[in-house]
Amino acid sequence: ETGVTQSPTHLIKTRGQQVTLRCSSQSGHNTVSWYQQALGQGPQFIFQYYREEENGRGNFPPRFSGLQFPNYSSELNVNALELDDSALYLCASSQQGSGNTIYFGEGSWLTVV
Amino acid sequence: QKEVEQDPGPLSVPEGAIVSLNCTYSNSAFQYFMWYRQYSRKGPELLMYTYSSGNKEDGRFTAQVDKSSKYISLFIRDSQPSDSATYLCAMSLHGSSNTGKLIFGQGTTLQVKP
Repeated sequence: ETGVTQSPTHLIKTRGQQVTLRCSSQSGHNTVSWYQQALGQGPQFIFQYYREEENGRGNFPPRFSGLQFPNYSSELNVNALELDDSALYLCASSQQGSGNTIYFGEGSWLTVV
Repeated sequence: QKEVEQDPGPLSVPEGAIVSLNCTYSNSAFQYFMWYRQYSRKGPELLMYTYSSGNKEDGRFTAQVDKSSKYISLFIRDSQPSDSATYLCAMSLHGSSNTGKLIFGQGTTLQVKP
């Protein structure tokens, strides 16, 4: 167990809808990163939040957005869902300045139909 | 060309075999190197973490980093059926601002047959 929890575990949405995924980071970790993992591929970095601000972004369009709360939990929001957004969305927590050990949650499986 | 290349396999070995998993990368600025294990439909689990070049051993697992060749390896000794999973290499740049920003390989699927 990594102490990183995500919800929901599975969900199905229709193309064009919006989705919110949630993550609670490991105790003591102040940084949350989000990744998208398509079937048969490695995870791709979406963005990271540190002290409630976005701290780096991968090659994802603006319809992917996020929030980090004072308790370091986080949300990933995706607007105008497309079929290609179907993937496993992973949340990872880490502690800035303590090396690069990063722990992942079990993920949220999103299917867009 | 992808920044991190990893043979997707699948790799099938008999129980007890030594397994060698590898990744190559193109960005010489990578400083942190990690191996994750991912069981089907689960999140990645951190197995090994190495900073810069060298070897690191943990039980049956040994991670090697050769920065001059831009090549990293994970060796699994005495492989067990429970080692059957997808193994992902990951790496990142130096600096606290890069903590949590990983570049992953595609993953290698390993099957250990009893």
